[in-house]
Amino acid sequence: EAEVAQSPRYKITEKSQAVAFWCDPISGHATLYWYRQILGQGPELLVQFQDESVVDDSQLPKDRFSAERLKGVDSTLKIQPAELGDSAMYLCASSLARLGTGELFFGEGSRLTVL
Amino acid sequence: GQNIDQPTEMTATEGAIVQINCTYQTSGFNGLFWYQQHAGEAPTFLSYNVLDGLEEKGRFSSFLSRSKGYSYLLLKELQMKDSASYLCAVSPPGGGNKLTFGTGTQLKVEL
Repeated sequence: EAEVAQSPRYKITEKSQAVAFWCDPISGHATLYWYRQILGQGPELLVQFQDESVVDDSQLPKDRFSAERLKGVDSTLKIQPAELGDSAMYLCASSLARLGTGELFFGEGSRLTVL
Repeated sequence: GQNIDQPTEMTATEGAIVQINCTYQTSGFNGLFWYQQHAGEAPTFLSYNVLDGLEEKGRFSSFLSRSKGYSYLLLKELQMKDSASYLCAVSPPGGGNKLTFGTGTQLKVEL
C-alpha cells in the first residue's frame, strides 16, 4: 500500500539551530500539505502545494520557516533558527484531488524537540 | 474564520456504543471529515460528510446537520483498539483539502 514517507521520525535540537524535514508523497498526488501538531491539539496547516507551486502559506511563520517542492514531487520544510515553541509533530499529507475535496493521506510525522 | 468544538476526553466500555460530537461555526463550509489518530501515529481518514444525514461504514457512522453546524461520530461494538484521538475537521467553501481541525476527542475504551 502506498504511503507518505517522512524523515526523520524524531529530531532533537537546541534552540537557534537549523532543522529540516523531508516528505515524499504518494506517487501521483498533486497536492501536498505540511501541518504542525502541538501535543494535545489538532493539526494546523502551515503550507499547501499544488504541484510545485505554493497555494497557501498564510500560516507559515516566514521569518523562520521555509518550504519548497521544487520538482512537484517531494518537499522539504526548514526551520532556522529553531525556537522552544517549535517543539511539535510536523505532519506531511498528500491528496490526489486537484480540485474539490478528497481524502488526505498523512505520513507518520517528524517529532521535533527543541531544547 | 473557523471555530470547531469537540469534547476533550471521553471514556466508554468495550462492546458499548459511543457518540463523539462536533460543533462548528465557520464563515463558509463545504464538508466535514473525521480522522482517527492513535498516540504517536498519523491521523487516518474515517469519514467525509458533505450532505445532511448519516453515513454508515461498518462499526463507524458519521452524521451531519449543516443547518445546525453539528456532526457526530458514532462508534459501535467498541474495541480496545478504538482508544485513540478522534479529530473533526472542516473543509472550506469551494471544496479543497485545506482542512481546519478541532483539538480532538481522546477516547479511552475500558474493559
